Amino acid sequence: KNEVEQSPQNLTAQEGEFITINCSYSVGISALHWLQQHPGGGIVSLFMLSSGKKKHGRLIATINIQEKHSSLHITASHPRDSAVYICAVRDMDSNYQLIWGAGTKLIIKP
Amino acid sequence: DAGVIQSPRHEVTEMGQEVTLRCKPISGHNSLFWYRQTMMRGLELLIYFNNNVPIDDSGMPEDRFSAKMPNASFSTLKIQPSEPRDSAVYFCASTLGTGLGNEQFFGPGTRLTVL
Repeated sequence: KNEVEQSPQNLTAQEGEFITINCSYSVGISALHWLQQHPGGGIVSLFMLSSGKKKHGRLIATINIQEKHSSLHITASHPRDSAVYICAVRDMDSNYQLIWGAGTKLIIKP
Repeated sequence: DAGVIQSPRHEVTEMGQEVTLRCKPISGHNSLFWYRQTMMRGLELLIYFNNNVPIDDSGMPEDRFSAKMPNASFSTLKIQPSEPRDSAVYFCASTLGTGLGNEQFFGPGTRLTVL
């Protein structure tokens, strides 16, 4: 069983829809990261969470430490949001090791 | 700040050749990470440095891979000799400090193709 699991693996939606991507993990963590990787390959760090909720523009990230679950939401989705969204957790036993999810490929159609 | 800078952005080489990837971390950051991304294995941490010292290189696949950080503003990842299975995107990332959960800033990556 993977230590970090994301769902769905692939998601296609229409412009304007509310998007939710989920991340579940099985290890004790000190922080959880959401990253975005565009088709060109560059990786952008979206959020780093250790508790609660963070918001940046149309993006919202939440984490429930007790349930070992995080969600990334996109409101009023736009074709430029099309990318792979990656969840990564920082294992409590290691300050440096990030355990990566497989990513969710999001396509927003106009 | 220009962010993490990597060069070259693309590299195509023949099997057996030496390949050197370069990274300039964000000024002031004291931890640097090299990652490799492939379709099969996703993102893998190869090695990380703190204050120019290699802390953990257990992710380095084999002796053909080596990494150096001669100063706080420059690091190299070298593959010698290169093999087709080394084809991947190599990312460099940097962060400030060594505390729990520090955010890492990624470079644009180097896409390596070994023929």
